[in-house]
Amino acid sequence: VTLLEQNPRWRLVPRGQAVNLRCILKNSQYPWMSWYQQDLQKQLQWLFTLRSPGDKEVKSLPGADYLATRVTDTELRLQVANMSQGRTLYCTCSAETGGLNYAEQFFGPGTRLTVL
Amino acid sequence: GDSVTQTEGLVTLTKGLPVMLNCTYQTTYSPFLFWYVQHLNEAPKLLLKSSTDNKRTEHQGFYATLHKSSSSFHLQKSSVQLSDSALYFCALRDNTNTGKLTFGDGTVLTVKP
Repeated sequence: VTLLEQNPRWRLVPRGQAVNLRCILKNSQYPWMSWYQQDLQKQLQWLFTLRSPGDKEVKSLPGADYLATRVTDTELRLQVANMSQGRTLYCTCSAETGGLNYAEQFFGPGTRLTVL
Repeated sequence: GDSVTQTEGLVTLTKGLPVMLNCTYQTTYSPFLFWYVQHLNEAPKLLLKSSTDNKRTEHQGFYATLHKSSSSFHLQKSSVQLSDSALYFCALRDNTNTGKLTFGDGTVLTVKP
């Protein structure tokens, strides 16, 4: 059963241009949604976790700037700007854990970005 | 902050042999450890998870035991198959509500006939 959809699945990004990514949650039992990046060396790095509609966060990392928004209970967005190196962005989801932070994270299929 | 160390970048084995992939971690909190497997051109998938000291956890022929005394969570399998060839990540869960996973650098396992 697919918990997450991501689109687009891949995108060529002209240098200096921003790109907008979407992640759609298919099961409301896993409302904690996060973004991770995987660089060309396959290193995985957490970017954001957004739980509630209206939550926004920004972050700058080597090679890209990010703006994440939790749009609705089922939609998470990520804007990637100033990207200088290709990467793959993964959306994840996990269950409401209450006081016990012991919940596996499920990965979406990913969006691969390549710099032109 | 939290950190995860995987000492082997690349492991190459012949089918049928045992394997152990090392994972050690550092955290000031009670640890939650995971192993993820990523096959070529796919997303990472959860393989094992644990937060219980000295209890073996198993899935799909792989097993690992969390040892808090040595801060380790090594991944093992008694007989590797060709289909086990993949990238394996050890990950440590943040103890806050962010749910942040800190990943090791990953170990590429290549199984030869």
